[in-house]
Parts: sequence; structure tokens; C-alpha cells
Amino acid sequence: AQKITQTQPGMFVQEKEAVTLDCTYDTSDPSYGLFWYKQPSSGEMIFLIYQGSYDQQNATEGRYSLNFQKARKSANLVISASQLGDSAMYFCAMKVNRDDKIIFGKGTRLHILP
Amino acid sequence: GAGVSQTPSNKVTEKGKYVELRCDPISGHTALYWYRQSLGQGPEFLIYFQGTGAADDSGLPNDRFFAVRPEGSVSTLKIQRTERGDSAMYLCASSLRLMNTEAFFGQGTRLTVV
Repeated sequence: AQKITQTQPGMFVQEKEAVTLDCTYDTSDPSYGLFWYKQPSSGEMIFLIYQGSYDQQNATEGRYSLNFQKARKSANLVISASQLGDSAMYFCAMKVNRDDKIIFGKGTRLHILP
Repeated sequence: GAGVSQTPSNKVTEKGKYVELRCDPISGHTALYWYRQSLGQGPEFLIYFQGTGAADDSGLPNDRFFAVRPEGSVSTLKIQRTERGDSAMYLCASSLRLMNTEAFFGQGTRLTVV
């Protein structure tokens, strides 16, 4: 069975600092994708970044990068130069190629301090 | 519309009543997902459709919950004999059946059982 673990229920970070949100996953499938979503207080789910299991390089999207360590089954999200608008819940998710089901972790609530 | 549409946005019902929640996915998206999200938690997988068929319904909590997608587009999540514990945000998402594509979420239906 697949599983996503996010061990940080909440984090406080000073504005303009970089922040790393942890995510570990478990699957026996060799082919899978990893996603990060942001959910602000308004409730919408906003896609941030994707990493495929066969991708050789870490994914980057603007201020977001994914630190993919396949052997450790780790897919941490790094946000550089944090902004007040980054305050939100962040969810790590996984899709396995075998069945396309997407499962989510419990999330990390990020607070950016001015 | 361009995005995933969920109706109603809010539903208040009495304990024991039957409710239907509707999801209209992005046109052309063959995969459709239903999730339930309680306050401060991650989206909990309920059921996933590939076309008209339920590819995985392992997340449905009990037989009071049922979902259909008769023509491979719009889906309806049906809850019989609602209980107060069913109160949550119900999220629908759709995606293309490609490994590296993210799921796009609707705004959700907030169900309150009183």
C-alpha cells in the first residue's frame, strides 16, 4: 500500500528565509509521481510542483524546488525567499502509475512571520 | 467552464437525510477523484473513476456512501442516512490519465449534518 508521511504539523519561519517542508513516501511501485499542493485559508488546492520517479534532476518551479532523494524515499519541498503569502497548508501527494490513485499526506501548516 | 465545478458549495442537512454532491470535471479529463477533508487534515481518498467505472473505491467509509459517473463526465457522490460525523469538505478533482499531470481541484462542497 502507498503512504505519504509529513511529520511537521506546523512551522514558523521568518519572512525572506528559505523553508524546507518534509515529505517521505512509501510504495513498491517503481513508477510514480510526487506532487506538492498549497491550500490557503480560502480552501482552494493549488498545484505547485511535480517530480517523476524516473526524473534525473530535481524539479524546480520559480521559488519552489523539490529535493528528491529516491533511495531515502524523500521528496521535500523547498521554498526560497519566503513571503507572507506563502502562509498556508502544504500537502505532499503521490500517484502510482499502476492505478493513478492520488493519495495525500496530512499536511504541514506554514506560518511566515513579518 | 474551464475548471472543476462542484455544486452545491454548501449543504446543510438533517441527520438521517440523503444528500447528493455533484462534480463537473474539466472537459476531456478521464480521471475523477473524490476526497473528504476535515478541518486541519489532509484530503482523505474516497473513490477514483477512470471513465465511467470506479477504478478504486477502497476509501469509501461504509455502504452509506456511493458514487456514480454514468457517462464518464459528471459524477455524483451520494450519502444515505447522513450522520453528524459525515460533516466535512468534500473535494472533487480531475486529471488526464497521464503520469506526470496533476489533479485539478474544485472549490469543494462543505457538508454540515445537524
